Amino acid sequence: NAGVTQTPKFQVLKTGQSMTLQCAQDMNHEYMSWYRQDPGMGLRLIHYSVGAGITDQGEVPNGYNVSRSTTEDFPLRLLSAAPSQTSVYFCASRPPGSYTEAFFGQGTRLTVV
Amino acid sequence: DAKTTQPNSMESNEEEPVHLPCNHSTISGTDYIHWYRQLPSQGPEYVIHGLTSNVNNRMASLAIAEDRKSSTLILHRATLRDAAVYYCILRDEGSSNTGKLIFGQGTTLQVKP
Repeated sequence: NAGVTQTPKFQVLKTGQSMTLQCAQDMNHEYMSWYRQDPGMGLRLIHYSVGAGITDQGEVPNGYNVSRSTTEDFPLRLLSAAPSQTSVYFCASRPPGSYTEAFFGQGTRLTVV
Repeated sequence: DAKTTQPNSMESNEEEPVHLPCNHSTISGTDYIHWYRQLPSQGPEYVIHGLTSNVNNRMASLAIAEDRKSSTLILHRATLRDAAVYYCILRDEGSSNTGKLIFGQGTTLQVKP
């Protein structure tokens, strides 16, 4: 099983550029989330989705957009990249329920110069 | 969401047991206690979860205090591969169905040969 797949693994952007981080899961999970992790810090929730067509903001949503047109995919868009968005981005998926296990991708390391 | 408190760091010797504490004094009756760990340069991975009773799986054991205001993740024989950041998280979706999984700072476990 592929699980949660994130692409690309590494990316360098110039300030002001836009791009989309891709996240796909093949486990038919309803819930998907995006996190960012800055050096030496824990994960912070950017946006999340509880199903196709439903998204909501997390702790740090500014500068990012998401959409969820299918169960499998949950892309994260950076509208105008800033150096403060340099971070490692993780995507996660899980079934609904307080007891369920979340599965994480391997991360996308983004540098904005 | 109820908050958890963990020590910033802990050390252990290889092949010895490790007890990682977590305080959650404001836990509600329907909060599940989850533990995840993050190995260097990887996404978080699920370790174990519980509600009221102690739990065991192939990776670890979870001991939950009778009043549920604290819990302890137990690694029975630490290996070098167990060096990671360990996160204690409370989850209760209840009727809100928010799908959020919020991480704190976690405990960095160092395992010495």
